[in-house]
Amino acid sequence: QSVLTQPPSASGTPGQGVTISCSGSNSNIGSNYVYWFQQLPGTAPKLLMFRNDQRPSGVPDRFSGSKSGTSASLAISGLRPEDEADYYCASWDDSLRVPWVFGGGTKLTVL
Amino acid sequence: EVQLAESGGDLVQPGGSLRLSCVASGFTFSRYEMNWIRQAPGKGLEWLAYISDSGGMIYYADSVKGRFTISRDNARNSLFLQMNTLRAEDTAIYYCARAYSLDFWGRGTLVTVSS
Repeated sequence: QSVLTQPPSASGTPGQGVTISCSGSNSNIGSNYVYWFQQLPGTAPKLLMFRNDQRPSGVPDRFSGSKSGTSASLAISGLRPEDEADYYCASWDDSLRVPWVFGGGTKLTVL
Repeated sequence: EVQLAESGGDLVQPGGSLRLSCVASGFTFSRYEMNWIRQAPGKGLEWLAYISDSGGMIYYADSVKGRFTISRDNARNSLFLQMNTLRAEDTAIYYCARAYSLDFWGRGTLVTVSS
């Protein structure tokens, strides 16, 4: 059981947009930044979004992040086949006194 | 170019020990916090351990506290994870990741705990 809650799956067709949600609590998302990671099949995770809505260099602006209260979202516009991957949200948690808690991951399928 | 390379994964029997290494290059290792994170087969990510840049601050997940020890050697640009009393549920790919933002990850090393 993950501390942060994500839908297990999401899907869309090329060119469409899709949003992946991440729900937490006051001790994690509600009081800390949210980060998103993309894991392509058979590879290591890669930082996709930091501090809620900041894209690392090289991440296309088709990816955007937002946070409101104890929830966060990752939006992907103009879906491409290469976006098919697992997406994980993460945050720090003050009450658990651990640097990182993760969501269970959302498998995005590009139909 | 930032690179992290894990090694040391192996097949080990339950109750056994293993020491993982992560060698860093392409950045000033001594200036960055480091983390170990694992991923069981077909499962999600689980953060395990954090060490500050100097090694003076360390945190562990409850699942490994008392069994795993994170350490670093800044002179050798290396991060370590000593794993003792291994259990079947420790079977996973183990990744090292840089900084409080987990901005770079290694490719991982596979640890299999089985008799």
